[in-house]
Amino acid sequence: EVQLLESGGGLVQPGGSLRVSCAASGFTFSSYAMSWVRQAPGKGLEWVSTIGGSSIYYADFVKGRFTISRNNFKSMLYLQMNSLRAEDTAVYYCARGAGDTFDIWGQGTMVIVSS
Amino acid sequence: EIVMTQSPATLSVSPGERATLSCRASQSVSSNLAWYQQKPGQAPRLLIYGASTRATGIPARFSGSGSGTEFTLTISSLQSEDFAVYSCQQYNIWPRTFGQGTKVEIK
Repeated sequence: EVQLLESGGGLVQPGGSLRVSCAASGFTFSSYAMSWVRQAPGKGLEWVSTIGGSSIYYADFVKGRFTISRNNFKSMLYLQMNSLRAEDTAVYYCARGAGDTFDIWGQGTMVIVSS
Repeated sequence: EIVMTQSPATLSVSPGERATLSCRASQSVSSNLAWYQQKPGQAPRLLIYGASTRATGIPARFSGSGSGTEFTLTISSLQSEDFAVYSCQQYNIWPRTFGQGTKVEIK
């Protein structure tokens, strides 16, 4: 079964850092671009970042603060989030794809930025 | 950045009726348009890609149409499990952008 499982969310103070992770299983992880998409409470979906074979893309609102990375040997995707702001509060979803669509999604991990 | 605008924000439909949702792009995205369904407390699910191709396992009552800047998602006969939020997303250029969603609720 194809599955994505996020972890690492939690409460962090403004200006703090957090790393969220995504464990992939059931498919050849290294063959796919992988992405992070977030959803603030009561809001719509917002693309954050994508990592492909040799390409990395970021939304403007996270450039310089967030870093996406992957470990193909462990089938893991990561998002290192620094200089967190209140507006970064959201459920962070790991998703397969973004060369085109996001065809598989994890259940999400909640990140709350608050003092 | 391409802005995706969905209408209406909320659609009230009775079970068994047809639902028509719209998505407009601020510039052409060709046919690089996807639709997602999201139920409360759940992750989104891919319904349609390429503007009109159903994803694996998606029932035939879901259909997509359009190209360029105007797109439509039609649910031919609403079932109880179809009441949810539907979002469109363009993948023609970076950054990938989503519409704000249309909530389909029971009338």
